[in-house]
Amino acid sequence: GAGVSQSPRYKVAKRGQDVALRCDPISGHVSLFWYQQALGQGPEFLTYFQNEAQLDKSGLPSDRFFAERPEGSVSTLKIQRTQQEDSAVYLCASSLEQARPAFFGQGTRLTVV
Amino acid sequence: KQEVTQIPAALSVPEGENLVLNCSFTDSAIYNLQWFRQDPGKGLTSLLLIQSSQREQTSGRLNASLDKSSGRSTLYIAASQPGDSATYLCAPDSGAGSYQLTFGKGTKLSVIP
Repeated sequence: GAGVSQSPRYKVAKRGQDVALRCDPISGHVSLFWYQQALGQGPEFLTYFQNEAQLDKSGLPSDRFFAERPEGSVSTLKIQRTQQEDSAVYLCASSLEQARPAFFGQGTRLTVV
Repeated sequence: KQEVTQIPAALSVPEGENLVLNCSFTDSAIYNLQWFRQDPGKGLTSLLLIQSSQREQTSGRLNASLDKSSGRSTLYIAASQPGDSATYLCAPDSGAGSYQLTFGKGTKLSVIP
């Protein structure tokens, strides 16, 4: 595609609900990154994939967060039993080869009520 | 842990003015530093990447400098335009991996016509 696509753009979840956020990277991009941006803050690193391999998940805030990229293209960030502190914009980024986020999607704004 | 501070938090200038945005970081063991732009409701756009061996990078009206030893970077915008209005984010990598960017909270710039 023309750019990194994320869906849904907005998600409202009741506390305790599970959510799944999708990222479609630019076609052929090897590296994929997830970042979390709370209101008024800069983005914070969550996890990094190279193809289907999750090379770093040190930024995931708890074991309720899980990310996968089974075929090395589309990625899904899953949050189980959502809490209010999970409310944030979740940004996905991809890059062709280098291990550095180059192109960001518009993000998914998650609001937990 | 890397900490990034951006000053000022917000800045309003009349069109045509030159301006400087400041970024400081606590851990000088970085490989690269990037400056991003974020428009409301949109993802991040990479503006400039400075490698640790470089002192500055230029792109059009933008010039970024890096003083790694003192943990400082500046973004200079010449002849500002209303279209430059956005939040500007500074992001050194962690040194542990160039994919682990640590973002500041950003400087929100408004250029008044």
